[in-house]
Amino acid sequence: QAQLVQSGAEVREFGASVKVSCKASGYSFVDSFIHWVRQAPGQGLEWMGRINPKSGAVNYAQKLQGRVTLTTDTSINTAYLELNGLTSGDSAIYFCARDRGYSYGASWGQGTLVTVSS
Amino acid sequence: DIVMTQSPDSLAVSLGERATINCKSSQSVLFSSNNKNYLAWYQQKPGHRPQLLIYWASTRESGVPDRFSGSGSGTDFTLTISSLQADDVAVYYCQQYFITPPTFGQGTRVEIK
Repeated sequence: QAQLVQSGAEVREFGASVKVSCKASGYSFVDSFIHWVRQAPGQGLEWMGRINPKSGAVNYAQKLQGRVTLTTDTSINTAYLELNGLTSGDSAIYFCARDRGYSYGASWGQGTLVTVSS
Repeated sequence: DIVMTQSPDSLAVSLGERATINCKSSQSVLFSSNNKNYLAWYQQKPGHRPQLLIYWASTRESGVPDRFSGSGSGTDFTLTISSLQADDVAVYYCQQYFITPPTFGQGTRVEIK
């Protein structure tokens, strides 16, 4: 069964960067896109971007262009989200999700809380 | 971007009664070539990750109880919980995956009356 396990909670200062990992197991890592979705406290779900682990091709949400980088390491079945220039608006739970050929989240990581403090 | 709008924002339903959540997209998510609606529904319980309930607007994910059903086409969709259980207390989201970026509705909170 597909499983995604994310790295632990992070606290960063205003203007810093954060890198969150998402380790996949139970399926062929290169055969599904990995999406990143975030959820601010008490708010809804916001799609951030996706990466094709096989090719490395990425799509980013327009509002995050230039601040977000998605990568993968296929040797260890792990996807990464890096977000730069953090502001209080980036304080959120960050989820990775695997799709099944179409961009819906079939399996989700447990989430990583990122807190940005000034 | 396609805007997804859910209604209501919240609803309270008695145990065993029907709960109905609506989702409207700002443009059609029906692909005429395969006659599929690119619409998914998720359940998110407090403090938990979202869980896929329905995809292709009406296909139930494996393991999801059959009291959950999805319907609709084009721009108007419905998630129905036929007989609400205590375990169904959650926020429910619709999401279109017809056009990148995928976009979510704002969520509908379901509570017990």
